Amino acid sequence: ETGVTQTPRHLVMGMTNKKSLKCEQHLGHNAMYWYKQSAKKPLELMFVYSLEERVENNSVPSRFSPECPNSSHLFLHLHTLQPEDSALYLCASSQSSNYGYTFGSGTRLTVV
Amino acid sequence: AQSVTQLGSHVSVSEGALVLLRCNYSSSVPPYLFWYVQYPNQGLQLLLKYTSAATLVKGINGFEAEFKKSETSFHLTKPSAHMSDAAEYFCAVSAPTASGTYKYIFGTGTRLKVLA
Repeated sequence: ETGVTQTPRHLVMGMTNKKSLKCEQHLGHNAMYWYKQSAKKPLELMFVYSLEERVENNSVPSRFSPECPNSSHLFLHLHTLQPEDSALYLCASSQSSNYGYTFGSGTRLTVV
Repeated sequence: AQSVTQLGSHVSVSEGALVLLRCNYSSSVPPYLFWYVQYPNQGLQLLLKYTSAATLVKGINGFEAEFKKSETSFHLTKPSAHMSDAAEYFCAVSAPTASGTYKYIFGTGTRLKVLA
């Protein structure tokens, strides 16, 4: 248990489906992040929430929609995804960028 | 703007041999530097971090890294590789931006293979 819990661990969805990824941390951290990890590509930062406000959105397609209802929970809502969106989606939290991140185990997403 | 470069996307060592994973960074201000490890089908786990205290940083699982400002390097080492060290390792740099926030950049990763 890393302190950051992601559910589900695996998800297979069709291109017309709507699903959500969930991330939960009880470490008292004040920032949460979504990353996309694709094979043979660098880690891609998708969204950053600090104190429940979105502070960064790195040109992510609108078919990905984040939600941060409180400092302990982060969601990534998915709809009408493409096969190229298949990847490992990682959630992380931190108290400060200087302290390092705590990552969840990720959700392996497959879009068919 | 800061950046981080990991030399060698794949490194193989024999069990018991020295592990050396290379990381060079670029930053206009003193950075914070990190090494993470990722085992298959898992998230990244913080191994160690440099935050402007001692230049030689010791981490978990017997790893350590030395911050060398003159070489802009933060290489990760372990004296004796173990089979369980086989994983992917990521170097990361965090440095302040003009707006005062911190930007966190990951390297592209080095996959370590340990040979029996």
